[in-house]
Amino acid sequence: GAVVSQHPSWVICKSGTSVKIECRSLDFQATTMFWYRQFPKQSLMLMATSNEGSKATYEQGVEKDKFLINHASLTLSTLTVTSAHPEDSSFYICSARDAMRPGTDTQYFGPGTRLTVL
Amino acid sequence: AQKVTQAQTEISVVEKEDVTLDCVYETRDTTYYLFWYKQPPSGELVFLIRRNSFDEQNEISGRYSWNFQKSTSSFNFTITASQVVDSAVYFCALISDNYGQNFVFGPGTRLSVLP
Repeated sequence: GAVVSQHPSWVICKSGTSVKIECRSLDFQATTMFWYRQFPKQSLMLMATSNEGSKATYEQGVEKDKFLINHASLTLSTLTVTSAHPEDSSFYICSARDAMRPGTDTQYFGPGTRLTVL
Repeated sequence: AQKVTQAQTEISVVEKEDVTLDCVYETRDTTYYLFWYKQPPSGELVFLIRRNSFDEQNEISGRYSWNFQKSTSSFNFTITASQVVDSAVYFCALISDNYGQNFVFGPGTRLSVLP
């Protein structure tokens, strides 16, 4: 199946710093990528939809100035958590939709990035 | 609106028992896709099955089977002869063509299989 990578797989940072998480589609082009957040013992919740070459669409309650998303190429989307605080500690997972396959369901998940803010 | 409900928060079974995880979904779309994912402690989502709304055939894959019933908006997952390695959180999820095309996840069911 299609492969999506995320980097880093885990990161620990100090409060107030910024952290960038990359999501890459390795063997297909992805015009659309989605970012999800999962707090401990909870489900995955959509944060934002990232479309290549345009601004991301954020879900209600997600601060766009805090979670900066850039989707500058068909294989890479980045999520930057700016001025991170302990409450931002979470598991961040991206999914990428294969641009060459028309089905809505042809999406693939990355392995996730665990962010811990001290 | 779209919603996925998994009524069982946690289930514990003894190895070799059969276990069924329930999933009920809500959508107004006529074309949609249902999924089950397994999430072990590592966190990575493991794809188990995808089913589109026009295919109500039940499916069996080894010890896993799925029962899709549109009449009750349910997509239940059964593990036969459970094993300790089946211990994980299982998520049922929904995608539809006309509502954002993102995954909508259920709250998950934590399955513990005891030796």
